[in-house]
Amino acid sequence: GAGVSQSPRYKVAKRGQDVALRCDPISGHVSLFWYQQALGQGPEFLTYFQNEAQLDKSGLPSDRFFAERPEGSVSTLKIQRTQQEDSAVYLCASSLVGRVNGLNTEAFFGQGTRLTVV
Amino acid sequence: GENVEQHPSTLSVQEGDSAVIKCTYSDSASNYFPWYKQELGKGPQLIIDIRSNVGEKKDQRIAVTLNKTAKHFSLHITETQPEDSAVYFCAASIARDDKIIFGKGTRLHILP
Repeated sequence: GAGVSQSPRYKVAKRGQDVALRCDPISGHVSLFWYQQALGQGPEFLTYFQNEAQLDKSGLPSDRFFAERPEGSVSTLKIQRTQQEDSAVYLCASSLVGRVNGLNTEAFFGQGTRLTVV
Repeated sequence: GENVEQHPSTLSVQEGDSAVIKCTYSDSASNYFPWYKQELGKGPQLIIDIRSNVGEKKDQRIAVTLNKTAKHFSLHITETQPEDSAVYFCAASIARDDKIIFGKGTRLHILP
């Protein structure tokens, strides 16, 4: 596709429910990032993939958060037993190159999934 | 880890005037400094970026300056227009980490 696509755009979950958020990066992009953006705040880093390898998951707030990218393209962020504090916009971004080049290139963001836990 | 501070949190300028947003970063190893514009209901969009080997970069009405010694970088928007109204984020990244660390954002209002 032309850009990073995220689905669903909106998700309402009851507290304790599990949710799965999907990210389709730009075709051929090596790096994929997940960010959490609370209302009125800047995006906070969650985790980073280079192809299928999860190289950094230091930003995941608890073991209820899990991300995967099994074939190095589509990624899923899963949140188990959702809590109200998980309510936020979850942003996915992709970029062309990865760490092996030692270069930073433009990261393209999707529109995000707004998760509301009630 | 890297920490990025951004100010002001809100900025109102008259249409046609200039707007300046300032950021500081903590990790001297940061070498890439992108600026993002985020409109309501959308993801952040890159508007300009600068790497640590240059001190200034300009793209039409937008310019960014970088002072590595002071660990400061700034965004300058000249001849502001109504469509410039949005939230702007500065960010920093270290090559060895790849992740981008964002500031808390500046809500820019362009007044008619």
